[in-house]
Amino acid sequence: EAQVTQNPRYLITVTGKKLTVTCSQNMNHEYMSWYRQDPGLGLRQIYYSMNVEVTDKGDVPEGYKVSRKEKRNFPLILESPSPNQTSLYFCASSRTRQGGAGANVLTFGAGSRLTVL
Amino acid sequence: GESVGLHLPTLSVQEGDNSIINCAYSNSASDYFIWYKQESGKGPQFIIDIRSNMDKRQGQRVTVLLNKTVKHLSLQIAATQPGDSAVYFCAEKWDNFNKFYFGSGTKLNVKP
Repeated sequence: EAQVTQNPRYLITVTGKKLTVTCSQNMNHEYMSWYRQDPGLGLRQIYYSMNVEVTDKGDVPEGYKVSRKEKRNFPLILESPSPNQTSLYFCASSRTRQGGAGANVLTFGAGSRLTVL
Repeated sequence: GESVGLHLPTLSVQEGDNSIINCAYSNSASDYFIWYKQESGKGPQFIIDIRSNMDKRQGQRVTVLLNKTVKHLSLQIAATQPGDSAVYFCAEKWDNFNKFYFGSGTKLNVKP
């Protein structure tokens, strides 16, 4: 089944304890992206990657890092989490970021609920 | 359920009625739009898309209307079913920056 898989789905951690949220897609998609979703604010882009070894900041990158060493994986790293990073996180992928409209449609993971105490 | 549904505009409709969900977008240069559906505990799922050179597109039970003059999108769901209960939000693609911006969403409640 074509999908985007995120882990963990739920995590409670404490301020300053480094954590990684993994994301993997099995569709050979070039483009991958991380979003956070907060009540009333919609989805905001954290980082994105156009292809392997190519990453760039989205609208809210502060406090996050990413890497894209392989096409299928795009982990989100919180080096020193803070309470304002408590949120629902989504990883998404699409065939490409250029090209026809259908190629831009994002497939989302099920989400990772992170709480930072 | 997920707290994403809090603080959202809510539309309540009777099962079998038609639903209309609205979205105002911000950038007159946006060239592509997508409607997503997000059920409780799940990630957003693609419903239907439309390019800016069209004003209407139909899918199965869903229709998207685009009014570029007033920068407005609507999603019409025919014969709404309990399974349609979810948060719906639109996304606009900013052509200049080749990225998407998402609205905050509307919660649809379908009453049996």
